[in-house]
Amino acid sequence: NAGVTQTPKFQVLKTGQSMTLQCAQDMNHEYMSWYRQDPGMGLRLIHYSVGAGITDQGEVPNGYNVSRSTTEDFPLRLLSAAPSQTSVYFCASSPESGWNSPLHFGNGTRLTVT
Amino acid sequence: AQSVAQPEDQVNVAEGNPLTVKCTYSVSGNPYLFWYVQYPNRGLQFLLKYITGDNLVKGSYGFEAEFNKSQTSFHLKKPSALVSDSALYFCAVRLWIYNQGGKLIFGQGTELSVKP
Repeated sequence: NAGVTQTPKFQVLKTGQSMTLQCAQDMNHEYMSWYRQDPGMGLRLIHYSVGAGITDQGEVPNGYNVSRSTTEDFPLRLLSAAPSQTSVYFCASSPESGWNSPLHFGNGTRLTVT
Repeated sequence: AQSVAQPEDQVNVAEGNPLTVKCTYSVSGNPYLFWYVQYPNRGLQFLLKYITGDNLVKGSYGFEAEFNKSQTSFHLKKPSALVSDSALYFCAVRLWIYNQGGKLIFGQGTELSVKP
């Protein structure tokens, strides 16, 4: 069982570069989300999706774009990387957004922007 | 504002002693509350949840949590700590936004250290 798969595991970018963090799940989950984890700040929600073709903003969406063309994939795009985006990024999914079921997390992508 | 808070950055416990990791919340309506654990270089893993029913919820690895509506708390507990319980623990609460569905927001995390 693959669960939630995130790639790459590590990435270093220069300021201004763009990149896409990949997230795929094989559990047919409707709900998918992206969080960033920073020391002392817990996890903050960036964007989320309640199903294919539907996305919405979380707490800290600025500087990030998402799309959900299929149920399985939910990529996160950084359009112009900034040092403030240095963080660990987690993708998570759940069968539905009613929250009777817990989130399943990937193992994270550690991003450094210089 | 709706929120969840973990008042302790770190909790230190001796192996074999009981442990408590604290969580308080502020939400509209009935809360859905969760505890997750994170081991180094890994994603978060679900421990337990409170949706409705008994105030004492049992979860994975011998952990339990007590929901207290009057104190708006959901503290995580374990009767006898193990060194392998050392990890980062997160409390989370569901926010239900009309026309937007549910969002899960997390506390800032508590580092649990269990010494032999």
